[in-house]
Amino acid sequence: SQKIEQNSEALNIQEGKTATLTCNYTNYSPAYLQWYRQDPGRGPVFLLLIRENEKEKRKERLKVTFDTTLKQSLFHITASQPADSATYLCALATDSWGKLQFGAGTQVVVTP
Amino acid sequence: EAGVTQSPTHLIKTRGQKATLRCSPISGHTSVYWYQQALGLGLQFLLWYDEGEERNRGNFPPRFSGRQFPNYSSELNVNALELEDSALYLCASSNGLAENEQFFGPGTRLTVL
Repeated sequence: SQKIEQNSEALNIQEGKTATLTCNYTNYSPAYLQWYRQDPGRGPVFLLLIRENEKEKRKERLKVTFDTTLKQSLFHITASQPADSATYLCALATDSWGKLQFGAGTQVVVTP
Repeated sequence: EAGVTQSPTHLIKTRGQKATLRCSPISGHTSVYWYQQALGLGLQFLLWYDEGEERNRGNFPPRFSGRQFPNYSSELNVNALELEDSALYLCASSNGLAENEQFFGPGTRLTVL
């Protein structure tokens, strides 16, 4: 069966350090992968998209890599700040255009 | 520009009743998506509407249904409510083009007693 796995344990990190989150998937051949941020009680907010033929994407302090051989995406937050504390979700586009499958998310806690 | 709006914010129902949730997409967006986010679980894809048509649905029973109106707003109906239907229901919209980000609303918290 298709599965998307993200670290279920919260990632506690000190301000200024780099947070690295993983998203592993099985039995998918995604055309692209997206990362979202979700704050408590609110809807997810889009951060980055990376296509299957792209290895890396950057946006400000965020970096995403996509390894279709390993079936894994890594999400990095560099120079992390307390405001980066949130849950981060990865989502894969599956067989139907526009239908996204989400991972359960990883909570990031950045302490001053 | 107004974002995706959902109503009501909270909804309390009892088992067996019907719930109706509403969503207004961002102006110009033709696609609306519905997701269920139960406690401890990730977002589960429910339904996708585009240009008034249901394009795809997730692995949910038929008592979950909906529609999209000519103005692209949408409603989600959940019939014969069960306790496990308690969740945050999120609506998202996009302009329907492939790969485009989905813009999410704040959600409707449904509690079934």
